Amino acid sequence: DIQMTQSPSSLSASVGDRVTITCRASQSISSYLNWYQQKVGKAPKLLIYAASSLQSGVPSRFSGSGSGTDFTLTISSLQPEDFATYYCQQTYSTLTFGQGTKLEIK
Amino acid sequence: QVQLQESGPGLVKPSDTLSLTCTVSGGSLSSYYWSWIRQPPGKGLEWLGYIYYSGSTSYNPSLRSRVTISEDTSKNQFSLRLNSVTAADTAVYYCARAHSSGRIFDIWGQGTMVTVSS
Repeated sequence: DIQMTQSPSSLSASVGDRVTITCRASQSISSYLNWYQQKVGKAPKLLIYAASSLQSGVPSRFSGSGSGTDFTLTISSLQPEDFATYYCQQTYSTLTFGQGTKLEIK
Repeated sequence: QVQLQESGPGLVKPSDTLSLTCTVSGGSLSSYYWSWIRQPPGKGLEWLGYIYYSGSTSYNPSLRSRVTISEDTSKNQFSLRLNSVTAADTAVYYCARAHSSGRIFDIWGQGTMVTVSS
């Protein structure tokens, strides 16, 4: 299986900050990479698919980039509702997820 | 809009079979892939498998020998069976709709907690 490693595992930030989360694949996955947001007690929500395509209805402050093995999710200006755990998911082969990045309020 | 709802027992005994159903409302099973994903308490997400509306299936190789996903188009439902469960199968189980060959999960159920314990 392709291993997905996210960094950092946790992150403290303030409202209005610009935040970047990184996801690294154990082998090249082209652009087969999605990002999800999960709030406590809720199901994950699709944010970004195919590395950089914004899912319908998702605010434009979310963006994704990267290809090959290294990918980033950027939130341009953190809002109170953005504090959650974020997961990357590779879809190049047997679907696997990263371990998650917990974004907390500073 | 399309909504998914999981249902099934919240407690299963070790070595028994875990059975869950996902009911799809606001749309049909046609033209999409229907998946099961689980999340052990405090841990990350694991894809279990999917069924395409035509009936074809794909499973995570790590669980393939124990997992079966089926559908009932007349009831707009699809189901998960996981055999020979152990405590390691304790998790929140989500059903989800997927597109792009089953790779992108765009609609999720709320999830149901299943505990494996005697």
